[in-house]
Amino acid sequence: DAGVIQSPRHEVTEMGQEVTLRCKPISGHDYLFWYRQTMMRGLELLIYFNNNVPIDDSGMPEDRFSAKMPNASFSTLKIQPSEPRDSAVYFCASSLTAYEQYFGPGTRLTVT
Amino acid sequence: GESVGLHLPTLSVQEGDNSIINCAYSNSASDYFIWYKQESGKGPQFIIDIRSNMDKRQGQRVTVLLNKTVKHLSLQIAATQPGDSAVYFCAENGYSSASKIIFGSGTRLSIRP
Repeated sequence: DAGVIQSPRHEVTEMGQEVTLRCKPISGHDYLFWYRQTMMRGLELLIYFNNNVPIDDSGMPEDRFSAKMPNASFSTLKIQPSEPRDSAVYFCASSLTAYEQYFGPGTRLTVT
Repeated sequence: GESVGLHLPTLSVQEGDNSIINCAYSNSASDYFIWYKQESGKGPQFIIDIRSNMDKRQGQRVTVLLNKTVKHLSLQIAATQPGDSAVYFCAENGYSSASKIIFGSGTRLSIRP
């Protein structure tokens, strides 16, 4: 298996633009997680899905953030409109058991 | 609480020596703990886990120790190698959402040749 795949790897955008991050989990994994990592706040869970259903979105910072999982092999995290404080590395992870999570390589987002 | 990482503590170890990375967890209700390793430019990677009904678990070159009395977790790496250079995170469950884990702030392990 190729592991968790994320795209793009790097994204630079201007404030106010819409940003869409994509994730393909490992085949057969029932859980999918979106995290954000910054120097100031460390690694934060934004939202997670189980069997394509959002279970806990309490970490989503505000209404500008939304996540979907239309099928078992694809998820998106969208920020609209983006702001400079959204600059971070965004990770997607998947797992069978929820705890032993396999992380993707991340998307480094820079909002200018 | 949530992870906060303004300045990562750093542990510097001589190559070949043993490393001990410590973590204080916050939630006494947590019953599952995990250690992750994050190399530069990569996502975190699962290393080893332990349930609260155990106080020690061993893997390949790694040992995790759990002291529930003082809410302390440690990761021991035997014969540290250059490839062990990374940031190490402990994580715990025990929060309202059953499948949710919370990551600690991390410790950077630096290897001296």
